[in-house]
Amino acid sequence: QQQVKQSPQSLIVQKGGISIINCAYENTAFDYFPWYQQFPGKGPALLIAIRPDVSEKKEGRFTISFNKSAKQFSLHIMDSQPGDSATYFCAANQAGTALIFGKGTTLSVSS
Amino acid sequence: GAGVSQSPSNKVTEKGKDVELRCDPISGHTALYWYRQRLGQGLEFLIYFQGNSAPDKSGLPSDRFSAERTGESVSTLTIQRTQQEDSAVYLCASSDRVNYGYTFGSGTRLTVV
Repeated sequence: QQQVKQSPQSLIVQKGGISIINCAYENTAFDYFPWYQQFPGKGPALLIAIRPDVSEKKEGRFTISFNKSAKQFSLHIMDSQPGDSATYFCAANQAGTALIFGKGTTLSVSS
Repeated sequence: GAGVSQSPSNKVTEKGKDVELRCDPISGHTALYWYRQRLGQGLEFLIYFQGNSAPDKSGLPSDRFSAERTGESVSTLTIQRTQQEDSAVYLCASSDRVNYGYTFGSGTRLTVV
């Protein structure tokens, strides 16, 4: 009930391509869905977040798509660059509780 | 300060010893979180402090783990009688109640030998 399942575990994309990472959740009380980016030796940093009242949110090259009925959300990185190579985590929670994180996706963008 | 500060950045300890990890959150952030990240794994929730409310300790893996927070400032995570499986990066994050976005520190890498 409390898990957030993330896939794929790793992803290799050509420079300029689209990176897509997917997450699924079970708890329908979740109302906040962020994505975090982590570089080696650093803590995760908030990338973009969405709430269930909208189906899509875009910030620059990063887009979250949200499907409330399927209980799924995904991160799309357009025009992927080598500097995007990092580990990405999806997460979810409801107000007053700590975020639950997926297991992460290691993205490598080849030049 | 400008960000979340954690100390030490690295800690090597012998099995059976106690360790204390420190977190200085962003000033004004009422919520503080501790997570554990094992090598190549996701973030495992440990404990959550929100203002003066009782902390959510539901993620602590055993009674060897405890944490305290002084008001809305510094927090310490204590691991007693460390075991090799405690080796991990321990991450602290803080947030203000309204924003929900977490700001993480760079973590403490704990190695138990």
